[in-house]
Amino acid sequence: DAKTTQPNSMESNEEEPVHLPCNHSTISGTDYIHWYRQLPSQGPEYVIHGLTSNVNNRMASLAIAEDRKSSTLILHRATLRDAAVYYCILRDQAGGGSNYKLTFGKGTLLTVNP
Amino acid sequence: SAVISQKPSRDICQRGTSLTIQCQVDSQVTMMFWYRQQPGQSLTLIATANQGSEATYESGFVIDKFPISRPNLTFSTLTVSNMSPEDSSIYLCSVRAQLYNEQFFGPGTRLTVL
Repeated sequence: DAKTTQPNSMESNEEEPVHLPCNHSTISGTDYIHWYRQLPSQGPEYVIHGLTSNVNNRMASLAIAEDRKSSTLILHRATLRDAAVYYCILRDQAGGGSNYKLTFGKGTLLTVNP
Repeated sequence: SAVISQKPSRDICQRGTSLTIQCQVDSQVTMMFWYRQQPGQSLTLIATANQGSEATYESGFVIDKFPISRPNLTFSTLTVSNMSPEDSSIYLCSVRAQLYNEQFFGPGTRLTVL
């Protein structure tokens, strides 16, 4: 499996932007980059995903480096509710198509200060 | 989106016994997965639950210890057999519809083995 590297923890202040980095130097050409987050005492939830181009949705933005060896999840204005563990995951496309598995690393624990 | 319920939400069990965890989804989904999250750790994929056939287990997990059933497209069970304190974890059901990239997670079942 292609692996990702994330900082163990990051800290932010409320209402400020947060940039969560992820390195994936062994990414293959067909690997998608997925981000999930896990709020305290809950199951993970999908945040965003992308392949080559930057992506935006209502929750966050995903900036992907031109060589695809790294990416950054951007929370434009952090709130206390954004305090969670953020996981950067490369889609393991075993069997091709939609039959892929998500393999979770350790993630980044984001603390948001009021 | 998919809404997932798990039963029980938590349980305390004695060593040597077995517990069956149920996962119910409010819509038909192609892929169903079972994950384990040990205390303070990330998620580890146990197996992919296949409808009408044997589950596909990840390295380190075997059918005798974690038998899985999936009789239809909305329901699956995971049994934790012959439990030991090392099986104390949160067990999460996860689903994905074939045409969608987003994967949904249940609230988890918190298991404590004494």
